[in-house]
Amino acid sequence: AQSVTQLDSQVPVFEEAPVELRCNYSSSVSVYLFWYVQYPNQGLQLLLKYLSGSTLVKGINGFEAEFNKSQTSFHLRKPSVHISDTAEYFCAVSSNRDDKIIFGKGTRLHILP
Amino acid sequence: DAGITQSPRHKVTETGTPVTLRCHQTENHRYMYWYRQDPGHGLRLIHYSYGVKDTDKGEVSDGYSVSRSKTEDFLLTLESATSSQTSVYFCAITETGQSNYGYTFGSGTRLTVV
Repeated sequence: AQSVTQLDSQVPVFEEAPVELRCNYSSSVSVYLFWYVQYPNQGLQLLLKYLSGSTLVKGINGFEAEFNKSQTSFHLRKPSVHISDTAEYFCAVSSNRDDKIIFGKGTRLHILP
Repeated sequence: DAGITQSPRHKVTETGTPVTLRCHQTENHRYMYWYRQDPGHGLRLIHYSYGVKDTDKGEVSDGYSVSRSKTEDFLLTLESATSSQTSVYFCAITETGQSNYGYTFGSGTRLTVV
């Protein structure tokens, strides 16, 4: 069975500072990995995804994530955050043997002025 | 935006009453999913469908049933609502069972059971 762990439930960071949101996964097969963002009172939007190939994946709004197979991690990073990045971020895992995606519990990103 | 809408957007209902939430898509996608979102739990899969009349249970299916009589509509029914079913419910769609496409989500239904 697959699972995903988001190591921080909340992350406060000052505006224009860099941020890293951590995600670790568990799977016995090759994985697909995703980051979704949920702005207040909205549904989830796909931020980026890793399917295969280059381990550094670039997404929307200046976010990127790096797939690390040896550490079973897929951490999300942004070099300089803005107040508009205030949201909840979900890491998710699946595989080519699955027809459903497993989500982590989410990390709330708080941008401090 | 992908054509996926949920109705109603908000609902307050009493304990013990039946409730049906609707997810409607205009994308002709085969797969549809119902999740609930609760603080500290993230998104948990309730039921999903891989075609008309084809459905399967997720990790938190107790107390819920679903129906899919046509491609575009996936209904979630709480047979007898309980306070523990107060939650935000999201519908999601994807083109095929190949999950590498990721999901497209609806805007959610906030359900309060009093």
